[in-house]
Amino acid sequence: SQTIHQWPATLVQPVGSPLSLECTVEGTSNPNLYWYRQAAGRGLQLLFYSVGIGQISSEVPQNLSASRPQDRQFILSSKKLLLSDSGFYLCAWGSVGNQPQHFGDGTRLSIL
Amino acid sequence: AQSVTQLDSHVSVSEGTPVLLRCNYSSSYSPSLFWYVQHPNKGLQLLLKYTSAATLVKGINGFEAEFKKSETSFHLTKPSAHMSDAAEYFCVVSDPYKAAGNKLTFGGGTRVLVKP
Repeated sequence: SQTIHQWPATLVQPVGSPLSLECTVEGTSNPNLYWYRQAAGRGLQLLFYSVGIGQISSEVPQNLSASRPQDRQFILSSKKLLLSDSGFYLCAWGSVGNQPQHFGDGTRLSIL
Repeated sequence: AQSVTQLDSHVSVSEGTPVLLRCNYSSSYSPSLFWYVQHPNKGLQLLLKYTSAATLVKGINGFEAEFKKSETSFHLTKPSAHMSDAAEYFCVVSDPYKAAGNKLTFGGGTRVLVKP
């Protein structure tokens, strides 16, 4: 069966520090991969998605970037974090067609 | 363009009573529809999915939803609420033939409170 792993579960970072969140998927090949952010009291915002290795589509211009160095690995990064980057970050994978996406357990990011 | 409207931002029910979460969608094609549940500080868990098969869809934990094309609705119900149902619920639409990368469109969420 397919599983998705996200880490760390929680992270506290100072303003201006770098960020790297990692997500890996097991049990499937060539998945679509997604990064979402959920701010407090708000819905989910799609940040990036990828349909293949090295292919990244950005949905919202911002301080973050994403990379997909391997088929089942998706990384969310920032060179300098802002206070507004605080939130709950979710990674998800999906397949082609009309199938749902499957989510990781999320990373709670707090910026001080 | 796709859109999803969850008609109630908060729903409060007593344990053992029915739960109804309302969702209306807009899509230019025959969409796929999903309901997800999110417990605090957790990821989203798929409750059920409609993908153009039977219009009454049964999901996990006793939930079910009915797809009504004429009303463009996909309401989620459960006959008897349990304390563990307290969470946030998201109605989601997918239009894979229109949205690049199979992107999903999320409703704003409904937070369910279950009173003992």
